[in-house]
Formats: sequence, C-alpha cells, structure tokens
Amino acid sequence: GQNIDQPTEMTATEGAIVQINCTYQTSGFNGLFWYQQHAGEAPTFLSYNVLDGLEEKGRFSSFLSRSKGYSYLLLKELQMKDSASYLCAVEDSNYQLIWGAGTKLIIKP
Amino acid sequence: DAGVIQSPRHEVTEMGQEVTLRCKPISGHNSLFWYRQTMMRGLELLIYFNNNVPIDDSGMPEDRFSAKMPNASFSTLKIQPSEPRDSAVYFCASSLVTSGGTNTGELFFGEGSRLTVL
Repeated sequence: GQNIDQPTEMTATEGAIVQINCTYQTSGFNGLFWYQQHAGEAPTFLSYNVLDGLEEKGRFSSFLSRSKGYSYLLLKELQMKDSASYLCAVEDSNYQLIWGAGTKLIIKP
Repeated sequence: DAGVIQSPRHEVTEMGQEVTLRCKPISGHNSLFWYRQTMMRGLELLIYFNNNVPIDDSGMPEDRFSAKMPNASFSTLKIQPSEPRDSAVYFCASSLVTSGGTNTGELFFGEGSRLTVL
C-alpha cells in the first residue's frame, strides 16, 4: 500500500528553528511536495523536491533522500504566522499525489 | 490573475437534499481535481480531470457523488442525496500537467466549499 507518515503535531518557539519530517512508501516516485495550510484556508504550495538534496527558499528549506524515502521541511526564524498545518505529498508512478495527514505546527511566543 | 474560484463558500442543507458545488479553474490549466478534507480522514482525492476528461474517479465515495467538467473553465461536484457524513470542506484545485504526465510542481487550490449536512 501507499503510505505517508508525518508527526501529528509539533510545538516550537518564535524565533527558533523547527524540522518537520516526512517518510513515505509509494508505488514509484515522481516528486515530493510540501504545502502549508492555515486553519480555515486552502493549502498553498511551499516546495517541490525531485532530486536528492536541499532546496532553500528564504526561511524555508526542504530536503529529500529518495533512497531512504525521507524528506523534511526546515523552518527558520519562526514567526507566529507560521502556525499552520504542513502537508507532505508524494507524486507516485501514475503522477497521482498521495497526501500525508499533515503536521499541525504551534508557535509559542 | 484570478485563482481557482469555488462556490458556494458555505452551504448548510438537510439530509436528502441535492448539493451542487462549482469550480472555475485557472485559465490555461489542463487538470482539475476535486478533494474532500475532514479532520478524521485528511485530504482525499475524489476525482481528477485532464483536458475535461475524467481520468480517475476511484476516490468518489459512492453513486451519490458525481462530477462533470463540460468545458475547460467549469466543473461541478454533485451529491444526491446528501447525508450527514458528507459534511466536509470540498476543495477544487487545478494545475498544468505536461504531455509526459509530469506535474509542473504546484497545485492551486480554491478557497473551498464548507458543506454541513444536518
């Protein structure tokens, strides 16, 4: 079966760094996505990794290891507005997105 | 540019009633997705269209659900008859998929339609 695992909830402090992990087992792999979803809003695209390594985009970075079926999203200099759910999704061999359940990130002052 | 537009934003209806949700994808996108999101089950793909043709409807829960895409700029998701367990947020999303099937890397979501069935 296809499976995406990520922690249900994490808490971090404003100004700190947090790493949200995602592990996957899918039928093939054509890329991994991270989306951010604020409460009551739609998911919005954060990053896309298809090759191993780190992709940096401002305060957010995403890492991929295809051999380990593993990715993480790194958020630096946390701000209160970063409180949201972070969804990991993998595109399988049929180019279909398999979604994780999301990690709710709580930022405390 | 206008994003994906969904209507209605909120709907409250009674069990047994017909519900129709509407979506206008981003102009130029060739793929449209209907998702359902609940606390218990997360984000679930219901159906996926490519160039207005339904490609994968394996996620449609049962015969009470149907979706159409009569043209490149409009799609509907219909539930008839509706049941309380259909209460959820329904998202429409669009993207541009190349001829090789590869997603360009971003799925654009509408703001969602929050459905409550009493």
